Amino acid sequence: KQEVTQIPAALSVPEGENLVLNCSFTDSAIYNLQWFRQDPGKGLTSLLLIQSSQREQTSGRLNASLDKSSGRSTLYIAASQPGDSATYLCAVPENAGGTSYGKLTFGQGTILTVHP
Amino acid sequence: NAGVTQTPKFQVLKTGQSMTLQCAQDMNHNSMYWYRQDPGMGLRLIYYSASEGTTDKGEVPNGYNVSRLNKREFSLRLESAAPSQTSVYFCASSPRAGAGANVLTFGAGSRLTVL
Repeated sequence: KQEVTQIPAALSVPEGENLVLNCSFTDSAIYNLQWFRQDPGKGLTSLLLIQSSQREQTSGRLNASLDKSSGRSTLYIAASQPGDSATYLCAVPENAGGTSYGKLTFGQGTILTVHP
Repeated sequence: NAGVTQTPKFQVLKTGQSMTLQCAQDMNHNSMYWYRQDPGMGLRLIYYSASEGTTDKGEVPNGYNVSRLNKREFSLRLESAAPSQTSVYFCASSPRAGAGANVLTFGAGSRLTVL
């Protein structure tokens, strides 16, 4: 059974810092990996999706990397801002004969606080 | 753009009561899902519907039933609520099964407390 772990559980940084969030998974045969953002009391918003054939994806100040062989992904946030404060979750889909439904296995999340 | 709409947003139940969480999407997505989120445990899949007319169990289905009423609507029913079902419930949808299926759109969540 796939297990997804995120480290650290919580992170507090001053504004302007570059930071890295970590995600590890036990079964390297993943179809892709997705990073989500969740604001308090809200649903999840997809930030980045990395296909298994890709090494990284970028969106603005966010960069996500994927190393399938080691079962790891990192989310790099450059020049952090107070508006980045949220919970960040990574998730991988269940593989079903080479295709995948939206049956995702989530990590526990990293609670990020960026203070002015 | 409504996306995925869940009702109710908040509900308090007594142990043994029943209730149904409603979910509707207006994106013409084929697949729909119900997840629950508990502190320190991330999101866990309860049930999913790969397409209209089909439903299947996820990781934590015990104590729940679902109905895919039509392509737009997917409801989650608690027949006899228990305190262990206190959680935040999220409905999600995706365009189709297969490649790209896990590009999910989530609703805002329904916070359920069982006393």
